[in-house]
Amino acid sequence: NAGVTQTPKFRILKIGQSMTLQCTQDMNHNYMYWYRQDPGMGLKLIYYSVGAGITDKGEVPNGYNVSRSTTEDFPLRLELAAPSQTSVYFCASSYPDGGNGYTFGSGTRLTVV
Amino acid sequence: KNQVEQSPQSLIILEGKNCTLQCNYTVSPFSNLRWYKQDTGRGPVSLTIMTFSENTKSNGRYTATLDADTKQSSLHITASQLSDSASYICVVSPKTSYDKVIFGPGTSLSVIP
Repeated sequence: NAGVTQTPKFRILKIGQSMTLQCTQDMNHNYMYWYRQDPGMGLKLIYYSVGAGITDKGEVPNGYNVSRSTTEDFPLRLELAAPSQTSVYFCASSYPDGGNGYTFGSGTRLTVV
Repeated sequence: KNQVEQSPQSLIILEGKNCTLQCNYTVSPFSNLRWYKQDTGRGPVSLTIMTFSENTKSNGRYTATLDADTKQSSLHITASQLSDSASYICVVSPKTSYDKVIFGPGTSLSVIP
């Protein structure tokens, strides 16, 4: 039972480069989320999706894009990397009522130089 | 503005000792409150979940309490172990939008021999 799988675990980008953070879950959860975690701060919601084909902005969406073509996959795209996007990114999934809590991936540590 | 605050920011205790972590929130009305444990380099893992009508919830050596009147929660760890060293995050779900939960900044706990 893999849960939520994120790739890559680490990445260094140059300013202006693009990349996609991959996230897949095998629990048939409808809801999926992308968060970023900065030192000393609570996780901030970037984007979320309530099902395939449906996405919505969270608290800090600028500079990111997402898509949800299947229930399992929810990739996060950075188009023009900036130093402010240096952070640890977590993907999570849950049932619609969130009753069992969120299942998180192990994170992607991104550094933009 | 909905906020979640946690104290202390960091804590060091000796192995075998007990400790209590605090969470204050301004989210109202809220649906549920969760405590997560986040090991270094890993995603958060759910410890307890309490609805607004519950006062206490236990998970092994972890006991969470909730006072909905004062909007405070605490996480008590009994007979601490080295493996308890982690960040503990309080998370509150607004009743009106459970898909936009609010994360506290976390308390970093270090258990030393």
